[in-house]
Amino acid sequence: AQSVSQHNHHVILSEAASLELGCNYSYGGTVNLFWYVQYPGQHLQLLLKYFSGDPLVKGIKGFEAEFIKSKFSFNLRKPSVQWSDTAEYFCAVNGAGNNRKLIWGLGTSLAVNP
Amino acid sequence: DTAVSQTPKYLVTQMGNDKSIKCEQNLGHDTMYWYKQDSKKFLKIMFSYNNKELIINETVPNRFSPKSPDKAHLNLHINSLELGDSAVYFCASSQDSPLVSYNEQFFGPGTRLTVL
Repeated sequence: AQSVSQHNHHVILSEAASLELGCNYSYGGTVNLFWYVQYPGQHLQLLLKYFSGDPLVKGIKGFEAEFIKSKFSFNLRKPSVQWSDTAEYFCAVNGAGNNRKLIWGLGTSLAVNP
Repeated sequence: DTAVSQTPKYLVTQMGNDKSIKCEQNLGHDTMYWYKQDSKKFLKIMFSYNNKELIINETVPNRFSPKSPDKAHLNLHINSLELGDSAVYFCASSQDSPLVSYNEQFFGPGTRLTVL
């Protein structure tokens, strides 16, 4: 069965620190990859997505992610975090033809201290 | 002009009651979803409808029954509520092409259900 693994469940950083959140998936075929963010008390919003093309994807708010097919990874990065980045981050994967179902990671809770 | 809206935002009820949550999207999408998010933020898909047809039905107690009167609406009815049903329920929608499902989903604000 397909699965998505987010390695860090809780991350605490100081402002201006660099961020990298890991995401690995198990699916051998063509994939669509997503990172969603959920700010405290709010709904999920799309940060960025990868369908094809350049494996380095730029998202909103200075986030980026790199798709490394050989490693089945789609790690999220930001060079300098802010207090307002405090949120829950979810990685999700959809294999082509996977009856429209996204497979979700368990989420990573990021706390940024001012 | 909210894209995906849900009502109510908060729902507090007693065990054993029956309740409904409504969802509407004005994005013109053809696919809608219900998710349950527990207290640990784990997100679990429950149902998905495409053009009013049920396409995803995960292992969910049959006390939960989705209804899609048209492709812009997907309601969730829950019978005989239990303590374990307390969670945040999110509705989402997406537009999928016939050949490839990109599955970028747009989420509603969530309904926080508390069963006492």
